[in-house]
Amino acid sequence: DTGVSQNPRHKITKRGQNVTFRCDPISEHNRLYWYRQTLGQGPEFLTYFQNEAQLEKSRLLSDRFSAERPKGSFSTLEIQRTEQGDSAMYLCASSLLAGGINEQFFGPGTRLTVL
Amino acid sequence: DQQVKQNSPSLSVQEGRISILNCDYTNSMFDYFLWYKKYPAEGPTFLISISSIKDKNEDGRFTVFLNKSAKHLSLHIVPSQPGDSAVYFCAATGGGADGLTFGKGTHLIIQP
Repeated sequence: DTGVSQNPRHKITKRGQNVTFRCDPISEHNRLYWYRQTLGQGPEFLTYFQNEAQLEKSRLLSDRFSAERPKGSFSTLEIQRTEQGDSAMYLCASSLLAGGINEQFFGPGTRLTVL
Repeated sequence: DQQVKQNSPSLSVQEGRISILNCDYTNSMFDYFLWYKKYPAEGPTFLISISSIKDKNEDGRFTVFLNKSAKHLSLHIVPSQPGDSAVYFCAATGGGADGLTFGKGTHLIIQP
């Protein structure tokens, strides 16, 4: 399977705990994006990387959130001191920016439930 | 403030007919638009895109139309098939921002 993969698919945690999600993009893609989706809403952009550089962060990305892409391949998204409001689907996408075309391909998502 | 709006939460269309999904945007800096389809418990699947230098793009049964003066785009699916039943999201990017801005989605239901 050459698509975007995300692990775990589901995560249940207690308020105050830290959680980490992983995303493996399509292998030749140089850009990797994180989004969050809550019920009844479209995905909301959080941050993105070009290779290993984090180039843009949304104001939605509070200080408790940190993302890394250490070797320009897979990425992790960590949420520290989780809150109930962090419950959402966390989506990862990748793209190969070429000629102004930036079609992003999404993974299946990680559903986070904070109790 | 929603920059991308899909004003129809749901749409029901008979199998074989044309489905038309609409999307409006407010940010004049947007220059690239995409449509995604999403099934429950899956991530969005890319369908079709259009650059602001064009007013139409076609791919098989899917055609996207862009009216820049009205800040409006639409996705036409013809003929509609049962497998097209899903939530469709309109997304936009541009103005130096590379993250996508999504609408809230339209749930398309294809009736047999």
